Amino acid sequence: GNSVTQMEGPVTLSEEAFLTINCTYTATGYPSLFWYVQYPGEGLQLLLKATKADDKGSNKGFEATYRKETTSFHLEKGSVQVSDSAVYFCALYSGNTPLVFGKGTRLSVIA
Amino acid sequence: DGGITQSPKYLFRKEGQNVTLSCEQNLNHDAMYWYRQDPGQGLRLIYYSQIVNDFQKGDIAEGYSVSREKKESFPLTVTSAQKNPTAFYLCASRTGQGASTDTQYFGPGTRLTVL
Repeated sequence: GNSVTQMEGPVTLSEEAFLTINCTYTATGYPSLFWYVQYPGEGLQLLLKATKADDKGSNKGFEATYRKETTSFHLEKGSVQVSDSAVYFCALYSGNTPLVFGKGTRLSVIA
Repeated sequence: DGGITQSPKYLFRKEGQNVTLSCEQNLNHDAMYWYRQDPGQGLRLIYYSQIVNDFQKGDIAEGYSVSREKKESFPLTVTSAQKNPTAFYLCASRTGQGASTDTQYFGPGTRLTVL
């Protein structure tokens, strides 16, 4: 079945540092890949997505590239801000299957 | 304003009582989902429905029940059989037509506390 593995947190960075959160997946067929962000006490918001190999999703300075050869979808940002502190979830679905999530990575950015 | 609404935001329940969480969407989506989130954990799928009057169990359906009588509504009942119901519950929806461009959207969540 489909599954997602993402790096365990928490991750603590200083403002303006470079961020990478690793995500790898196992899936049948051709999955669509997603990153969601959750701020404290809120639901999940879509951050970015990619629907086919070599696609790059980007939003608010975050980027992730769909790498079929390494089955990965790592999240990156060149310079994090305090406001980026949140929990980040990698997720996928293929065909009409329910979305499957990684366990989430908590990011704390300190000024 | 289009989106998914969940009510109430906070819910308190005494042990042994059933409670129903509301989820409504005006996105005209066919598919709706319920997830449970525990502190420091990911999301686990409880139930989902891809069409009106039909639904399937997810990974942790025991102690929960759902109905899907209308396209826009997918209420979740937490029964007294659920041994540890205190959690954050998230409802989601998407078109469910299997297109690779389909995106799942989430409601703001309901935090249930059993006293």
